[in-house]
Amino acid sequence: QQQVKQSPQSLIVQKGGISIINCAYENTAFDYFPWYQQFPGKGPALLIAIRPDVSEKKEGRFTISFNKSAKQFSLHIMDSQPGDSATYFCAAGRSQGNLIFGKGTKLSVKP
Amino acid sequence: KAGVTQTPRYLIKTRGQQVTLSCSPISGHRSVSWYQQTPGQGLQFLFEYFSETQRNKGNFPGRFSGRQFSNSRSEMNVSTLELGDSALYLCASSKERGRDEQFFGPGTRLTVL
Repeated sequence: QQQVKQSPQSLIVQKGGISIINCAYENTAFDYFPWYQQFPGKGPALLIAIRPDVSEKKEGRFTISFNKSAKQFSLHIMDSQPGDSATYFCAAGRSQGNLIFGKGTKLSVKP
Repeated sequence: KAGVTQTPRYLIKTRGQQVTLSCSPISGHRSVSWYQQTPGQGLQFLFEYFSETQRNKGNFPGRFSGRQFSNSRSEMNVSTLELGDSALYLCASSKERGRDEQFFGPGTRLTVL
């Protein structure tokens, strides 16, 4: 009930393409779904987050799509750039609780 | 505004030793959470401290402990180190508990030989 399943493990996309990473959760009590970006040698940095009262949130080239009934959410990176090459983590949590992280997706954007 | 700082950045210990890691949150942040990151298990929650009290604890053995000081700085301690404790230990701070954005530090890379 506490797991967050993330796919794919790795992703190679051409520059200018769309990167899509998917996550699924089990605990219906989760009410906060952030995405983190991590570069080698750095800590994760919050990219974008969504709550279950909205189905989509967009910030620049990054969009979260949320499907409450399917208990799934995904990150779309439009016009992917080589500088987007990093490991991306989805997470889920509830108020006053800790975050449960997916295993991560290593994204490589080829020039 | 300075970010989350963690010291030391790198540490090498041998089995059976104990280690203390330090985290200084962003100024004004009162909640500090600790995570262990390994290639196999990913990011796993260790514990959260707020107002010098442990508020949440992950599924780790009692060898892992922590504390928070009145200035919100936090330390975590691992006793009787095992090879499997080799990992990147990350500290994250937020203003309050709940769903405030968590800001992560760069981590302490612990290697147990």
